[in-house]
Amino acid sequence: NAGVMQNPRHLVRRRGQEARLRCSPMKGHSHVYWYRQLPEEGLKFMVYLQKENIIDESGMPKERFSAEFPKEGPSILRIQQVVRGDSAAYFCASSQRTSGGSDEQYFGPGTRLTVT
Amino acid sequence: GNSVTQMEGPVTLSEEAFLTINCTYTATGYPSLFWYVQYPGEGLQLLLKATKADDKGSNKGFEATYRKETTSFHLEKGSVQVSDSAVYFCALTPTGNQFYFGTGTSLTVIP
Repeated sequence: NAGVMQNPRHLVRRRGQEARLRCSPMKGHSHVYWYRQLPEEGLKFMVYLQKENIIDESGMPKERFSAEFPKEGPSILRIQQVVRGDSAAYFCASSQRTSGGSDEQYFGPGTRLTVT
Repeated sequence: GNSVTQMEGPVTLSEEAFLTINCTYTATGYPSLFWYVQYPGEGLQLLLKATKADDKGSNKGFEATYRKETTSFHLEKGSVQVSDSAVYFCALTPTGNQFYFGTGTSLTVIP
């Protein structure tokens, strides 16, 4: 299966711990997007990355959240000192951008974070 | 700004009934419009899309037409099946970077 991979699928953290969520894009895709889905809500954009660059982080909370997409390896969404309000499903998507146009984003199965 | 408003659910239909899920949007410029479907425990899958006014996206019996004059992209299917039970999300992107999603409409089809 060459789809978008996310791990872990479920993550439980106590308040104050760190959460690391991983995303491997589809083969050949160099653009990664992170979204958060709170219960009973739609997906909210967080950040858009290309290899080694953050392109748009306008949806990221200013504190405790960071994202990276290194030259080698998966994209990482890191949440420091988690709080109960961080409990949500975090989805990663990838695309293969072409010049102009709006490329389809392919979504991973998500990581469900529970903060106790 | 950019936003998507979807018909609230949940929606429950009998098998072979006609489905409409309303979606309207506000956007700067000329966005592309999408419908995604999410089955329980899974990520979102693209159902159909339209990139310009009057385009009709279609897939698996589902259709939606990009109506610029009414800023709408309503999802329709003539005869739903039990296997169509899922959550449906309308979305737009003005640039291809950020996607803006509606809150989702849960559909349950009963035999």
